[in-house]
This record gives sequence, C-alpha cells and structure tokens, in this order.
Amino acid sequence: DVKVTQSSRYLVKRTGEKVFLECVQDMDHENMFWYRQDPGLGLRLIYFSYDVKMKEKGDIPEGYSVSREKKERFSLILESASTNQTSMYLCASSTPGTGRDGYTFGSGTRLTVV
Amino acid sequence: DQQVKQNSPSLSVQEGRISILNCDYTNSMFDYFLWYKKYPAEGPTFLISISSIKDKNEDGRFTVFLNKSAKHLSLHIVPSQPGDSAVYFCAASGYGQNFVFGPGTRLSVLP
Repeated sequence: DVKVTQSSRYLVKRTGEKVFLECVQDMDHENMFWYRQDPGLGLRLIYFSYDVKMKEKGDIPEGYSVSREKKERFSLILESASTNQTSMYLCASSTPGTGRDGYTFGSGTRLTVV
Repeated sequence: DQQVKQNSPSLSVQEGRISILNCDYTNSMFDYFLWYKKYPAEGPTFLISISSIKDKNEDGRFTVFLNKSAKHLSLHIVPSQPGDSAVYFCAASGYGQNFVFGPGTRLSVLP
C-alpha cells in the first residue's frame, strides 16, 4: 500500500524552538508539498519541491524553510516556532508534470506551540 | 483573495437524502478540479475529479457537476450515509500549476 508518512502525529513545542517535521513517500513521486490546515482557511501551501535539492515558496512561506536531500524525503523546518504556527501540517506528493492524478496526503502532524 | 471558495462552512443532511456541496472559483485558467474528503486526524483522500472538457462526472454515489460559465462546481452525494460525515475540500488547477484548495465544508449526515 503506497503512502506518505509523517513522522509525528502530535507535537508540542515551546516558542523559539527549532522544529523539524519529516515526510517520507514511497511512491517515487517527484513532487512534494507542505500545507497547513486552519479552520476557515483550508489548505494553504507553504513550500513545494519538484526535484531533489529544489524548493519553491508557496503562498505562506514566512517563518518556514524546507529541505529535500533525497527524493523520498521532504522536511519542513520552523526556524523559531511561534504560537501562530500552531496548526495541522500536511505533507503531500504527486506525479511529475501537471499532477493531474491529484495529491496523496500524509495523515498530518498536529503541532502546538506554547 | 481566495481563488477557490466554499461558502458553506458546514452542512447537515439526514441519512438517505442528497448532500450538495458547492464550490466557486475565480480564475478562468483553472481547467481541472478535484474533491477531497478529510476525516479528523487523517490526511485528505481523493474523492472525484472533473476536467473542464466535461460538465459531469459520476462515481457511484458521488457526482460532480461543473458549470464553467458560472465558475461553479458542486458535489452531489446520493444517498448520504453517516460515514460520509467529514470535511470536503474543493481544489482547482490550471495546466502545469499546483492545486489551489478551498476552505472546506464540514458535512454531517444525521442518522
């Protein structure tokens, strides 16, 4: 069963901490994405990557960075966590090109910053 | 400015009746649309898609209708079941572009 795996389901971090959210996919997908989901705002794109070592800013990249050293792994980094980064974080992957097959999502990481 | 809108944050429907979830978009370059379903503590899962060359796509109890002139699509679920209770996201993209997601509609199907 192919999947996207996010390493943590729940995380609680303190303000100012550096936070790493890990995502691994086993579908050999080129494209990977990080979204955050907030009530009333839906899914907002933070960063995406179409290839190893490649990254592009999404709609809300401020306060975040990413790393893609291997094709299957895409990490989201909160350099200095703040309370407004409390959210559900979703990783997704897709086939290259138009991605018209849609995205396969991980189960999400619920991050709380206190 | 949201390019994909779902103006009903929530919807309640009786089991066995029809559920209609609506989605509006503003970008005329969008030509492919998806619906995702999301249960709490799980990632969204793909439900059904439609290309702009069609005005209807059906998959079992789920049908998506597209009205390009109105920039509107809707998802019909018939008959609705309690297991359909979830948040539904509409997503749209233009060729070669990432998908843009709407804010979601929470559907509650009452037994």
